[in-house]
Amino acid sequence: KNEVEQSPQNLTAQEGEFITINCSYSVGISALHWLQQHPGGGIVSLFMLSSGKKKHGRLIATINIQEKHSSLHITASHPRDSAVYICAVPNFGNEKLTFGTGTRLTIIP
Amino acid sequence: NAGVTQTPKFQVLKTGQSMTLQCAQDMNHNSMYWYRQDPGMGLRLIYYSASEGTTDKGEVPNGYNVSRLNKREFSLRLESAAPSQTSVYFCASSEDRTAAGELFFGEGSRLTVL
Repeated sequence: KNEVEQSPQNLTAQEGEFITINCSYSVGISALHWLQQHPGGGIVSLFMLSSGKKKHGRLIATINIQEKHSSLHITASHPRDSAVYICAVPNFGNEKLTFGTGTRLTIIP
Repeated sequence: NAGVTQTPKFQVLKTGQSMTLQCAQDMNHNSMYWYRQDPGMGLRLIYYSASEGTTDKGEVPNGYNVSRLNKREFSLRLESAAPSQTSVYFCASSEDRTAAGELFFGEGSRLTVL
């Protein structure tokens, strides 16, 4: 089973700050997922990437396959970005996902 | 376009009672999943279905059964609920059978077993 570690577990920042959330995994993968869980509980997929970088609005996801590491960046953070951010990677062999425990982000106005 | 719909959103059961969580997706996806989410832990896979008519165990299947009724619907049944099954349950679907497919989640079902 792929091991997934996210850091930090909790992050509080002021509105407008640049945010970085990290995800490390133990086994080489085909694709990595970043998900967002809103305070109400719903989960949405933000990114799925297998190499390089992807950008969607103020969110940027990067992955370094050699170092088995991915980062999620948020530029010009806003209180509505407050959520839990979860990364997930496939297990080697069965392609089912292992999920990290999440990073709880709070943006203060 | 409703996406993934799961019901009920909240349920309280007594130990030993049974119940079924319903899930339906309207995106014509092949793969469907049931996960549970517990405090301090990542989402854990209970059961999944790669296509209509097939189901397979995930990481934590004990105490649960599933039915892939058709391509749209995937239900999760607790035959004799236990307090350890108190959790938030999420149904998800994906067009892709591999882990490279984008996942679409339902809103979650919060289950409390007394």
